[in-house]
Amino acid sequence: GAGVSQSPSNKVTEKGKDVELRCDPISGHTALYWYRQSLGQGLEFLIYFQGNSAPDKSGLPSDRFSAERTGGSVSTLTIQRTQQEDSAVYLCASSLAGLPTYEQYFGPGTRLTVT
Amino acid sequence: GENVEQHPSTLSVQEGDSAVIKCTYSDSASNYFPWYKQELGKGPQLIIDIRSNVGEKKDQRIAVTLNKTAKHFSLHITETQPEDSAVYFCAANGGNEKLTFGTGTRLTIIP
Repeated sequence: GAGVSQSPSNKVTEKGKDVELRCDPISGHTALYWYRQSLGQGLEFLIYFQGNSAPDKSGLPSDRFSAERTGGSVSTLTIQRTQQEDSAVYLCASSLAGLPTYEQYFGPGTRLTVT
Repeated sequence: GENVEQHPSTLSVQEGDSAVIKCTYSDSASNYFPWYKQELGKGPQLIIDIRSNVGEKKDQRIAVTLNKTAKHFSLHITETQPEDSAVYFCAANGGNEKLTFGTGTRLTIIP
């Protein structure tokens, strides 16, 4: 079946512009995660959605970052007034339910470059 | 919160030899320890995981061991093949739904 998809695959933007990154999770998966992966680094947790519960936003690095999940499916990560340090690969993952019960399936990521 | 350290950062082994990657974690509440393989331009893919109620798990050429007392876990790949070349990440869940990842090991298999 279809896996997690993300769009766009690549995004180049000028410093100060806003960007929106999209994630389509696997159908039926109630949990959705966003991570950031800087060059040569591990994955940094950003935000977690589980069903209709309030999202866990504890990993968002600043108030320029926000995310929403509409209808319990598609999610959008928004970065306002982008900075060069925001350049990274943004990964989305989904699972049937939260850990530690179910495996997280990752999308291919969106590579964001802020010039 | 949880802190995960991973070693080595790079590892080169001859094809057919074994590779071992080690991770330590800080939060004794962690009870789920997955390992992910990430190939160039792709998202991470789960290759094996272990929960705190067991000490070892095997899946063909891949095995993971867990020492809860010492708070460390390791990935073992035997009879390595060129397609094993990738970046490998360990992670721990800190007793909740979020994963904390190690910084990755770039494994290169030398033909």
